[in-house]
Amino acid sequence: GEDVEQSLFLSVREGDSSVINCTYTDSSSTYLYWYKQEPGAGLQLLTYIFSNMDMKQDQRLTVLLNKKDKHLSLRIADTQTGDSAIYFCAASGGGKLIFGQGTELSVKP
Amino acid sequence: GAVVSQHPSWVICKSGTSVKIECRSLDFQATTMFWYRQFPKKSLMLMATSNEGSKATYEQGVEKDKFLINHASLTLSTLTVTSAHPEDSSFYICSAGNNEQFFGPGTRLTVL
Repeated sequence: GEDVEQSLFLSVREGDSSVINCTYTDSSSTYLYWYKQEPGAGLQLLTYIFSNMDMKQDQRLTVLLNKKDKHLSLRIADTQTGDSAIYFCAASGGGKLIFGQGTELSVKP
Repeated sequence: GAVVSQHPSWVICKSGTSVKIECRSLDFQATTMFWYRQFPKKSLMLMATSNEGSKATYEQGVEKDKFLINHASLTLSTLTVTSAHPEDSSFYICSAGNNEQFFGPGTRLTVL
């Protein structure tokens, strides 16, 4: 079945760019998603990309998809302390979402 | 955007009791809802797919008699944790949607 992998931690300084990476195994995934989870809360959909796209930009967020390498990344420009959270990538497969382990982003002032 | 609510947001119960968690889609209809379990600092584990008007589809390793799911209407799915034990303590999250899945805020269950 689908397997989604992420690095567990990322620490950046306020104002820097953050890049969170994700790899997946099922090339037939139609949609790939990025979710944000703050402590004790549910998941907030940040953005998603359709599998036939290479890039999607939405304000401070840029998603890059390398379908050949099955690699997805989320870039957050001008990272703020309010961006500190856990970020999950997820791939659609068989009508379900398969989540990565989550990357904990820590933003230092 | 679409809103999904969960109730209660947190619950503490005694071992051996049953707990019901509700998941509602507030401004859209959902023929399918999903129930996840999340352990601290861990990813979301899909437990089951809740289908309106039919039986839920459980993931491998999830006991269907332990985690009862009812999807009685297009806006409501319930998860009942029966005869809860401390190891059932967790954060339970539901989601609903089609291409986009919208997540509820989660329910923190603590079993004493």
